[in-house]
This record gives sequence, structure tokens and C-alpha cells, in this order.
Amino acid sequence: GQQLNQSPQSMFIQEGEDVSMNCTSSSIFNTWLWYKQDPGEGPVLLIALYKAGELTSNGRLTAQFGITRKDSFLNISASIPSDVGIYFCAGGPEFSGGYNKLIFGAGTRLAVHP
Amino acid sequence: EAGVAQSPRYKIIEKRQSVAFWCNPISGHATLYWYQQILGQGPKLLIQFQNNGVVDDSQLPKDRFSAERLKGVDSTLKIQPAKLEDSAVYLCASSPRLAEGDYNEQFFGPGTRLTVL
Repeated sequence: GQQLNQSPQSMFIQEGEDVSMNCTSSSIFNTWLWYKQDPGEGPVLLIALYKAGELTSNGRLTAQFGITRKDSFLNISASIPSDVGIYFCAGGPEFSGGYNKLIFGAGTRLAVHP
Repeated sequence: EAGVAQSPRYKIIEKRQSVAFWCNPISGHATLYWYQQILGQGPKLLIQFQNNGVVDDSQLPKDRFSAERLKGVDSTLKIQPAKLEDSAVYLCASSPRLAEGDYNEQFFGPGTRLTVL
């Protein structure tokens, strides 16, 4: 089946550093989304990408939809302690029958040292 | 706007027992999803409803898992009998009605953490 390979698995950085994570697949996706999950909560949408090559920002977050439609990356600039959490990429498969299906990566666990 | 509500938040049961989870989606959202999130992994879709009809249950272990959304609003997910490997967080999500070719954001509830002993 379709799978997303998300890397790195975890990161431990100093406050103020920039962070980069990515997601790749052997399959084509029509949509790429990035979610953040805090402990004990459900994932919350950070950025949604709908077109190949699209580059979108949300505050200190920037994400891009790869030209091949098989990858995406998320950058966080000038990290702060509240950026701690698990970041998931999710892809909307090319053929999902119009049913809004998402496939999630395994997540990148981010820790920020003050 | 109230978010997706789930209950209970935590449940501990012994293997071979049964358990049920409840979800109330955001008002007016036609599409409801149940996901299973095993520790250290991303959410995996179990079942998707459009109103009160199932549109995708290809990854639901139907020998022990069942779900219903009788009136197209609330939904329940049941496991009977539970196995050790069912220990996970069960997330419910909802999204607005779909138009062909469109994509709508999925809004997640806080989840129910199930521990099977």
C-alpha cells in the first residue's frame, strides 16, 4: 500500500535554531498537509498544500509541495519552546474516489532546549 | 465553534473484554473518520462515514471492530473482543461535506487512550 517516509524521526535542538523535516513517498499525492500533535491531544492542521511546487507559509512555518508530487518539506524558523511536539505529514492519495482520504507519516518528534 | 468531542478519554480493559468509544463531530460536518494511532506511529484510518453511510472500511478488522453512525451525527466504535495489540489512541475526526475533487480539512478530537491488559 501507499506509505509515507518521514524524517528525521526525532530532533533535539536549541531555542532559536531553524528546523527542517520532510516526507517522501514512491506514490503520487494530490494534497500534502502538515499537522502538529501535542501530548494528549489530536493533531492540529498547520499548513495545507494543494498544487505541485506550491510554497506556503504560516508564521514561522514554511512548507512546500514537491514538483514530483511525491514529497514535501516543512521548515520552522527561530524555534521556541512551544514548538515542542510531534509533527506529522499527511498525503491525499492521487486516486481516493473523492473521499478526502489521508495517509499519515510516522511523525517527527521535536524537542527544544531553552 | 465547538470542536470534535470524544469520550471516554481513557479506558483500561482486560483482553477479551469489549469496549465502546463515542464521538460527536463538529456541527454540520457530513464526513466522520475513526483513526487508530499506535504509540510511535501516525494515525491510521479505520473507517470513514459520509453522513450515515460507510465510504471506506478497508482497514477495519471487521472480525472484532464495528462502527455505526445511525443518524449521520454521533458515531460509536466498538471492539469485541479486545486484544493486546488494540492498545492505542483512537481518534475521531470530521470534515465538511465534500465536493468532487475538493479537499477539506479534517478536524480531530482529543482521542481515547485504550490500554488492553
